[in-house]
Formats: sequence, structure tokens, C-alpha cells
Amino acid sequence: DTGVSQDPRHKITKRGQNVTFRCDPISEHNRLYWYRQTLGQGPEFLTYFQNEAQLEKSRLLSDRFSAERPKGSFSTLEIQRTEQGDSAMYLCASSSQGTDTQYFGPGTRLTVL
Amino acid sequence: SQKIEQNSEALNIQEGKTATLTCNYTNYSPAYLQWYRQDPGRGPVFLLLIRENEKEKRKERLKVTFDTTLKQSLFHITASQPADSATYLCALDGDDSGAGSYQLTFGKGTKLSVIP
Repeated sequence: DTGVSQDPRHKITKRGQNVTFRCDPISEHNRLYWYRQTLGQGPEFLTYFQNEAQLEKSRLLSDRFSAERPKGSFSTLEIQRTEQGDSAMYLCASSSQGTDTQYFGPGTRLTVL
Repeated sequence: SQKIEQNSEALNIQEGKTATLTCNYTNYSPAYLQWYRQDPGRGPVFLLLIRENEKEKRKERLKVTFDTTLKQSLFHITASQPADSATYLCALDGDDSGAGSYQLTFGKGTKLSVIP
């Protein structure tokens, strides 16, 4: 069990650019979640996949955000036309069906200049 | 809408003492509540989960209580050590829509500092 991994760990981009983050969940976990965390706040839910199906999306997830999990394994989160307000830590978590515990990755820290 | 409050942003205690952190919630009836630890620049690490029909759960030096009448959970670290210094987050299942959901809703966290 290698845990949840995320890539890259840090990303600095200019306003208006597109960015894509990758998450590799724990191998036997069929559920995958994306959260966003800003300084001094707890993580906020963005979206959730069960296998390859995206089953929940937060109202926080604007049209500029899109997430995929094409084969039910790794997932990508893309942000188009980044804004300074998108600067945050983006966290991925996974869990297995039948359990309620979510295991988090180390996060991707995004800074939009 | 659902609200989660953790009693304080920061808590300082002396090494060896028991740290008690509080999580209060309103406008929701969670099926379970979880506690996570988060170190700076890292993702949350799961510590304990307690279900609505459980009053107390323990794991080594950690103890969690869950009072669904008071809508409150207490998280205790006994014999605290400097290595316990971190931010502790409580999380409830679901969102403020009241519908069933697999997402977690987190409090802002309490930063615990254990002073040697």
C-alpha cells in the first residue's frame, strides 16, 4: 500500500493559464474525492467519483473546473483560465466501498500570480 | 445550513497534560464523525471515526466522544507530547443539503501546540 499520491506537489502559474493535476488513489479503492483547502480553513469538497462515474459535484466547482477518472483508477483535475482566487491546496482522497474513512494524498499547492 | 465549529483556532498545553478539543455542529444529523490530524503543508491523516450510535471510542492515547443530543464531539489526547503538535480537524459525513452523501464537511481545525 503506497498511499494516495498527487502530482505535481507544487504549481506556480500565471493568471489565465490552464493547469492540470493528477491523483493516484490507493489501488483497491474505487471511490475518489477532490477537495480544496485555503489557509486557515478546513478542506472543502469539490467532487467525487465512484469508479469512473462522477457522482457528486459541489456548487464550488465552477465551469472552469473539470475532473475525470477515465478508467476508474487515476484522476485528473483541470482548471481553465486560472484566477488568483484559485490559489489553494488541492487535495485528493480515496476510500473503498463499504468503508467511510477517506485517505488523503499530500496535496498539490497551486499559486496563481 | 450545516455549520461545524471547532472550539478554538489554537490551543497550547504543557507536555504530559491531556488536550481536549471540541467540535460542535448544527442543522445536521450525521451518521458518523471523523477526526483527522494535519501537519503544515501536508494532507490530513485519519485518526478516528465514531458513529452516531457510539458514545466513545479509543485508540492508544486518543479518545473521542460523540453526543448527538448536544451535537458535540470531544477529542482527547492523553499524556500529550510535543510530537502531537498539529492541526486537528473534525469532519462530518454529507453536506448542508441534508441528503446522503459520501463527501466530508470539515471544520476549520484547532492548532494544538504541546509545550515541552
